[in-house]
Amino acid sequence: AQTVTQSQPEMSVQEAETVTLSCTYDTSESNYYLFWYKQPPSRQMILVIRQEAYKQQNATENRFSVNFQKAAKSFSLKISDSQLGDTAMYFCAFIVTGNQFYFGTGTSLTVIP
Amino acid sequence: GAVVSQHPSRVICKSGTSVKIECRSLDFQATTMFWYRQFPKKSLMLMATSNEGSKATYEQGVEKDKFLINHASLTLSTLTVTSAHPEDSSFYICSAREWGRREVNEQFFGPGTRLTVL
Repeated sequence: AQTVTQSQPEMSVQEAETVTLSCTYDTSESNYYLFWYKQPPSRQMILVIRQEAYKQQNATENRFSVNFQKAAKSFSLKISDSQLGDTAMYFCAFIVTGNQFYFGTGTSLTVIP
Repeated sequence: GAVVSQHPSRVICKSGTSVKIECRSLDFQATTMFWYRQFPKKSLMLMATSNEGSKATYEQGVEKDKFLINHASLTLSTLTVTSAHPEDSSFYICSAREWGRREVNEQFFGPGTRLTVL
């Protein structure tokens, strides 16, 4: 079975500080892709960052980076220099090639001014 | 590029009526579209996968006669909630996968439709 676990339902961070959101997953597949999506109050799902499982190098996208530990099936998201606009629900997800998304339960992040 | 729209964004209907939600890929052709349901402060639950020109594949527990999905063209999929009841009230989100796109696992999400059944 494919599962995604986000153990932090809610988190908060001071503006300009750094925060890490955790995610673990389980799959027996060897080829898959991992994602972090952001869902602000508008409810629009926005892709934050993507990681191919076959790549060892951690993906980075401006202030967002991941720590991908394939053996541990861990995929955490680090947000540096947090901004007020980062306040949102964050979903970790993975997809097996050609198949559907599996989403975690989400982490609600609040950036405090 | 890669924009997905949904219409309507909000709909309120009476119990027993049917509601149709449209999902359109505006600047690309979508071979596959996905329909999700999201309850407040919860994750997205996949309801069904629709491929252009063929019948949708429904997830376990989703009533296909209640949630009718039609993917008639490469840019349009519709979800019809038939004989809606208050428990069908939810946020419905579609996503689309682009035909021929090199990053075959990339999907683009619509802005969602909030359905309220009175």
